[in-house]
Amino acid sequence: DSGVTQTPKHLITATGQRVTLRCSPRSGDLSVYWYQQSLDQGLQFLIQYYNGEERAKGNILERFSAQQFPDLHSELNLSSLELGDSALYFCASSVGAQAPYEQYFGPGTRLTVT
Amino acid sequence: AQSVTQLDSHVSVSEGTPVLLRCNYSSSYSPSLFWYVQHPNKGLQLLLKYTSAATLVKGINGFEAEFKKSETSFHLTKPSAHMSDAAEYFCVVGDNYGQNFVFGPGTRLSVLP
Repeated sequence: DSGVTQTPKHLITATGQRVTLRCSPRSGDLSVYWYQQSLDQGLQFLIQYYNGEERAKGNILERFSAQQFPDLHSELNLSSLELGDSALYFCASSVGAQAPYEQYFGPGTRLTVT
Repeated sequence: AQSVTQLDSHVSVSEGTPVLLRCNYSSSYSPSLFWYVQHPNKGLQLLLKYTSAATLVKGINGFEAEFKKSETSFHLTKPSAHMSDAAEYFCVVGDNYGQNFVFGPGTRLSVLP
């Protein structure tokens, strides 16, 4: 158990809908990362927050957004969902904002868009 | 800019034989390097990390990796494979000067009985 929690574990929704994924980092970690993992694209970095501020952006679509709240939990919002958004979404946390601080991963949220 | 190459997309070994998973990296600065393991339908778990201390790094479950600057490599090894080692392994490079983590494409390890 990494100490990072993600809810829900599974999510099934229809195209065009909007969903929110939630992540609670390990106690003491200030940085939260979001990743998308799909069979064809592999593990893709989406976005990073550090102590409430956006720090880095990866391959995140405009339909997706995220935020980190004062209690350091984070939410990833996915809107106008498409079939291709079906994937595993991982959250990770770390103490610092960059290497050498390692990231600890949550168990993931499996999103299925039908 | 950083990049990671994992030279084998799939490695198959017999139980009890050595494991070698290869990783080469490119980084403009002193890198931090990590290996993560992902079992089916699970999150990624940190196996070990290198952060400019000892070049031979020992991790969990009997894995170790050696940082070779001259070869820009960080190969993962284990003397004797166990069935429970079957998983996907990711090599990751982190730049200590503020660049983000870059994940390799992963190597799937199969362990045959």
